[in-house]
Amino acid sequence: DTGVSQDPRHKITKRGQNVTFRCDPISEHNRLYWYRQTLGQGPEFLTYFQNEAQLEKSRLLSDRFSAERPKGSFSTLEIQRTEQGDSAMYLCASSLDEGLDGYTFGSGTRLTVV
Amino acid sequence: SQQGEEDPQALSIQEGENATMNCSYKTSINNLQWYRQNSGRGLVHLILIRSNEREKHSGRLRVTLDTSKKSSSLLITASRAADTASYFCATDLGNDMRFGAGTRLTVKP
Repeated sequence: DTGVSQDPRHKITKRGQNVTFRCDPISEHNRLYWYRQTLGQGPEFLTYFQNEAQLEKSRLLSDRFSAERPKGSFSTLEIQRTEQGDSAMYLCASSLDEGLDGYTFGSGTRLTVV
Repeated sequence: SQQGEEDPQALSIQEGENATMNCSYKTSINNLQWYRQNSGRGLVHLILIRSNEREKHSGRLRVTLDTSKKSSSLLITASRAADTASYFCATDLGNDMRFGAGTRLTVKP
């Protein structure tokens, strides 16, 4: 297991298009988190899963955003009708239980909406 | 929303000097963690300090926590050019973590 993988690394899309990102966590980690990070800022929490259950969603996660984690393995984050304000780095992290060993982050997917 | 605030926003030092970064937060926490991020990459976990601990060491890192003041500090001793990165504190609220805006550290060789 080489850590948390995110795909794609970069995505350029036109405003109004839908995009989907994938995250493969560390296999034994039961928790999976999505964060968004803009330039010069820290990561902002979007949502997290405990196994396949989505337990918390930030108010940042508008109706255009949806996340899934079928079977408690990989997760997808979909953004519908993208806007220029969605341009950011989308980070995925995973942890075992409450994350007392810290979160393991992927390298992120950089989204640019033109 | 962001929970922590790091201070300073940017810090530039010479190799060999010590670097101190501070973090203040707003609500009660289970633990506080520090992460490092190199430009354009994901975050790497450095150290965790529990709410009932006051100080913790890991190699060249020393973290303190003052829950009465809702603040923490990260000290990097004998800094190296490779320590150049952004450093974030993250507060564990029980279900997830909230990050500050980070301190950008530059270590000049």
